[in-house]
Amino acid sequence: GQNIDQPTEMTATEGAIVQINCTYQTSGFNGLFWYQQHAGEAPTFLSYNVLDGLEEKGRFSSFLSRSKGYSYLLLKELQMKDSASYLCARGAGNMLTFGGGTRLMVKP
Amino acid sequence: ETGVTQTPRHLVMGMTNKKSLKCEQHLGHNAMYWYKQSAKKPLELMFVYNFKEQTENNSVPSRFSPECPNSSHLFLHLHTLQPEDSALYLCASSQGSGGSSTDTQYFGPGTRLTVL
Repeated sequence: GQNIDQPTEMTATEGAIVQINCTYQTSGFNGLFWYQQHAGEAPTFLSYNVLDGLEEKGRFSSFLSRSKGYSYLLLKELQMKDSASYLCARGAGNMLTFGGGTRLMVKP
Repeated sequence: ETGVTQTPRHLVMGMTNKKSLKCEQHLGHNAMYWYKQSAKKPLELMFVYNFKEQTENNSVPSRFSPECPNSSHLFLHLHTLQPEDSALYLCASSQGSGGSSTDTQYFGPGTRLTVL
């Protein structure tokens, strides 16, 4: 199948670092996307990985291991506005398959 | 602004009504998508259009009927819906329709649909 697994909820403290993990089916894989979705809003693109390793974009970084079917999104220096759902999506063929999302709550 | 607009933003309809959702993208993309997002469920792909041609129908019931008159516009026609069809319907567009970096999907704000 194309199961994409990520934790349902996480809680972290303002200023801290949090890592959101995602595992996916490796067959036919051609890219891994992360999106952020605030409540009641559209998902917005955060990052894309196709090669193994870490991609850094300011406070957000994304890691990929193709052999393990594993990715993570790392958020540093957490801010209250980072409270949102984070969606992992696997590209294969001509479409993306999304995980259920991880709801991150940032507390003061 | 994401360059993808959807109307209406909210819609309440009865099970016997017929309504349409509209999506327009101003990004010059070639692929457009309809997704359904229900509470506590993953985003579900419904339809994919590439250069106005439907390339994916993800086993969607016939009470949902898509239309893509050109690469910038996408409609979802609704008729005889059920209460369980109440959800957020999201439109997205991308340059291509694969899984590579150039195929990053950009989403509209969605239509919150309630079926009574």
